[in-house]
Amino acid sequence: AQTVTQSQPEMSVQEAETVTLSCTYDTSESDYYLFWYKQPPSRQMILVIRQEAYKQQNATENRFSVNFQKAAKSFSLKISDSQLGDAAMYFCAWGGNKLVFGAGTILRVKS
Amino acid sequence: KAGVTQTPRYLIKTRGQQVTLSCSPISGHRSVSWYQQTPGQGLQFLFEYFSETQRNKGNFPGRFSGRQFSNSRSEMNVSTLELGDSALYLCASSLQPENEQFFGPGTRLTVL
Repeated sequence: AQTVTQSQPEMSVQEAETVTLSCTYDTSESDYYLFWYKQPPSRQMILVIRQEAYKQQNATENRFSVNFQKAAKSFSLKISDSQLGDAAMYFCAWGGNKLVFGAGTILRVKS
Repeated sequence: KAGVTQTPRYLIKTRGQQVTLSCSPISGHRSVSWYQQTPGQGLQFLFEYFSETQRNKGNFPGRFSGRQFSNSRSEMNVSTLELGDSALYLCASSLQPENEQFFGPGTRLTVL
């Protein structure tokens, strides 16, 4: 069975600084997707970024980028130039249409 | 394009009752998945539907069921409610299975 582990229950970052959220996963499959979702206090889950496992190149979406290490089964999210609106719970997820989620990391942004 | 909609947004039931939650996917999306979110268990997959067929089911008791209609709208039903069923139930849709999922705002169910 697939598992996703987020070892940082909570992180803090100063506004305009950079923060990295960690995620590791375990799977025996060779072809899969990885995602980072953001869940603000409204509880609306918002897709932040997606990575296809067969692609070597790390995905980037504006201030958000990932460091995907397939052999190490690691998928970290880097947020550059952090903004107050980035404060939320961030979930790492494995899969396609049956997502397996990590426990989440609460990100606090300090002004 | 309108996002995923879920109704009702909030629901209060008592133990033993049953409940039906509804999800309307993004127009054109044919795949719908359901998730349960609780503080203790986190986000857990319930089931996935595509073209009115259940493709995957998570590890939940038979009290949890669902269906999908020809217009891709989906409902999930929980019978004989228990206190532990109190949760945020999230629905997500995608164009096809294995595509990225877009989530609705959720239905907050409280069982008293």
